[in-house]
Amino acid sequence: GQNIDQPTEMTATEGAIVQINCTYQTSGFNGLFWYQQHAGEAPTFLSYNVLDGLEEKGRFSSFLSRSKGYSYLLLKELQMKDSASYLCAVRDGDYKLSFGAGTTVTVRA
Amino acid sequence: GAVVSQHPSRVICKSGTSVKIECRSLDFQATTMFWYRQFPKQSLMLMATSNEGSKATYEQGVEKDKFLINHASLTLSTLTVTSAHPEDSSFYICSLKGAGDTEAFFGQGTRLTVV
Repeated sequence: GQNIDQPTEMTATEGAIVQINCTYQTSGFNGLFWYQQHAGEAPTFLSYNVLDGLEEKGRFSSFLSRSKGYSYLLLKELQMKDSASYLCAVRDGDYKLSFGAGTTVTVRA
Repeated sequence: GAVVSQHPSRVICKSGTSVKIECRSLDFQATTMFWYRQFPKQSLMLMATSNEGSKATYEQGVEKDKFLINHASLTLSTLTVTSAHPEDSSFYICSLKGAGDTEAFFGQGTRLTVV
C-alpha cells in the first residue's frame, strides 16, 4: 500500500512563492503526480515526475527524490485563482493512483 | 490528449434506489478505467479498477455487490450505486490512464446526494 503525507493547509500572499511538500512510502513506484482541485470540481493535472530532479512548467515546478520518498510542488508568483486544494498522488505498477489528503492553499491579497 | 466525459454531473436520488454513472473515453480506447470516491474535505480514494471485458477489481472495504461496475466496451465504463443510502452521498470520479503514460485523465465527477 501507499502512505502519503502532505500539510493540511498553507496560506500565502499574492505574488509570493509557496512550496508544498509531500512524503511517501510505497510498495511500488511508477511516478508521482500533482493535481489542483477547486471545490466541487474534478482534479486537473499539474505535473508528473518519475525521475529524480526538477520539472518546471511556467509558474509551477515539481521536484522528486525517489531515494528520500519526497516531492514538492512550487507555486511562484501566486495569483488569487491559485487558491485551491493541491493533491500529491503516487502511481504504482498497476497504474493505480494513491492520493494524499490534499493541501488547501489560500492566497491572500 | 484524451478527454473523459462523465455523466451525470449531479444526481439526487431517494434512499433505496439505484443510480448509474457513466464514464466515456472520447479520444482513445481505454482497456482500464478507475473509479474514485471523495467525501467532503477528504482526498480521493480508489474504489475499483474497471477492466474491459472482465470483472472489476475492488479495493479493500468496497462492496462489489453495492457498487456494480460494467466495462462492456473500450470507451465506456459504468458505476451503479445500488440501494443507495445517505452515507453513499459523495463525489464519484472516474479516470483513465493517458496514452503517453504521463498522466491520468479525470472525468468531471458526479455529485451524488441520497435523500
